[in-house]
Amino acid sequence: EDQVTQSPEALRLQEGESSSLNCSYTVSGLRGLFWYRQDPGKGPEFLFTLYSAGEEKEKERLKATLTKKESFLHITAPKPEDSATYLCAVQRNNNDMRFGAGTRLTVKP
Amino acid sequence: DGGITQSPKYLFRKEGQNVTLSCEQNLNHDAMYWYRQDPGQGLRLIYYSQIVNDFQKGDIAEGYSVSREKKESFPLTVTSAQKNPTAFYLCASRAGDPFSYEQYFGPGTRLTVT
Repeated sequence: EDQVTQSPEALRLQEGESSSLNCSYTVSGLRGLFWYRQDPGKGPEFLFTLYSAGEEKEKERLKATLTKKESFLHITAPKPEDSATYLCAVQRNNNDMRFGAGTRLTVKP
Repeated sequence: DGGITQSPKYLFRKEGQNVTLSCEQNLNHDAMYWYRQDPGQGLRLIYYSQIVNDFQKGDIAEGYSVSREKKESFPLTVTSAQKNPTAFYLCASRAGDPFSYEQYFGPGTRLTVT
């Protein structure tokens, strides 16, 4: 069965302390892997799409990478405003996007 | 500004009542989706629609119904048959580009049924 697993479930960092979030997947026919940011009580905000192994995307302090089995979201020198839940999702066919449970990130000043 | 609106933000209902959640988009997107989010779980697909007057069941369609009479609108009805309706409901849309799969989400509706 296709699965998307995110780890850790929760991560607490000090401001400036870089780290990585993991998204491992088992899916056949991957069409894309997506990262979203979700603030409490709000809808997910699109961050990145990755289509093939070796691809990387960057946005401010965030960098997403993709291998054949997992994706990493690297956070460099995070700030308190980076605190949120980060969701990973994979697209198998035109209308089947499967989400992981998310990693809840807290960045302390 | 283009975007997706969901209303209301909070909704309270008594058990046994049907309730309809609104979702409107002005992005000119072809596809629209409804997800349910529960604490500690990933988003789960309820229904989706690729074109007007057509929609398909997702993983957890039981107890829900939808309509797609206009491209901009995709309302979700939570019926009394849904056993655990209390949840955060998210609507999303996607452009028709076959090479672009990203979905864009609305702000969500939190439904509480007592």
